[in-house]
Amino acid sequence: EDKVVQSPLSLVVHEGDTVTLNCSYEVTNFRSLLWYKQEKKAPTFLFMLTSSGIEKKSGRLSSILDKKELFSILNITATQTGDSAVYLCAVEGSGGGADGLTFGKGTHLIIQP
Amino acid sequence: EAGVAQSPRYKIIEKRQSVAFWCNPISGHATLYWYQQILGQGPKLLIQFQNNGVVDDSQLPKDRFSAERLKGVDSTLKIQPAKLEDSAVYLCASSLAQTASTDTQYFGPGTRLTVL
Repeated sequence: EDKVVQSPLSLVVHEGDTVTLNCSYEVTNFRSLLWYKQEKKAPTFLFMLTSSGIEKKSGRLSSILDKKELFSILNITATQTGDSAVYLCAVEGSGGGADGLTFGKGTHLIIQP
Repeated sequence: EAGVAQSPRYKIIEKRQSVAFWCNPISGHATLYWYQQILGQGPKLLIQFQNNGVVDDSQLPKDRFSAERLKGVDSTLKIQPAKLEDSAVYLCASSLAQTASTDTQYFGPGTRLTVL
């Protein structure tokens, strides 16, 4: 059974701090790992990672994948109150003859002014 | 704890055919969401149910898509007739929220639809 574990489950930091969110996974026939930011209803897509060691960046956010150790991290530098959200990690694989996404429980990030 | 269940996990149909997806949320979860996720994009909310009532279906293409949650538990999403641009992963999520407010959503594995 595919499995995604995110840590920490919740995190409170002050504006300007740097945070690192973790995502470890076990999946059959790995295809990709995705990061989302969820503030209201629909999660916002952040990154899709398929190759090890290649950092993806978007503004203050960056992410990297380690396919050998089966984990990914999401970094946010110079945090702002608008970064407060639940950050979801999902892994796409093909296990047991079926394709699918497995989501982690999310990291609830709170940025205090 | 059992998660959100969806079936089928994978479906291939030809354009103009019909297709139906099924979702069983986590037991006790009042709110159920259907999303459409096209490759490389974030999920787009199609419809949100609160128990058996529709809270938000503003982005549901009602000429071809329909959804129901008759008993306030499991739900079906139907596309009739399908178009090529409907190829996507259809995600179901549920949350505990008893009111139409933001709450932690738990996602199912999705159904990957390919329309040929």
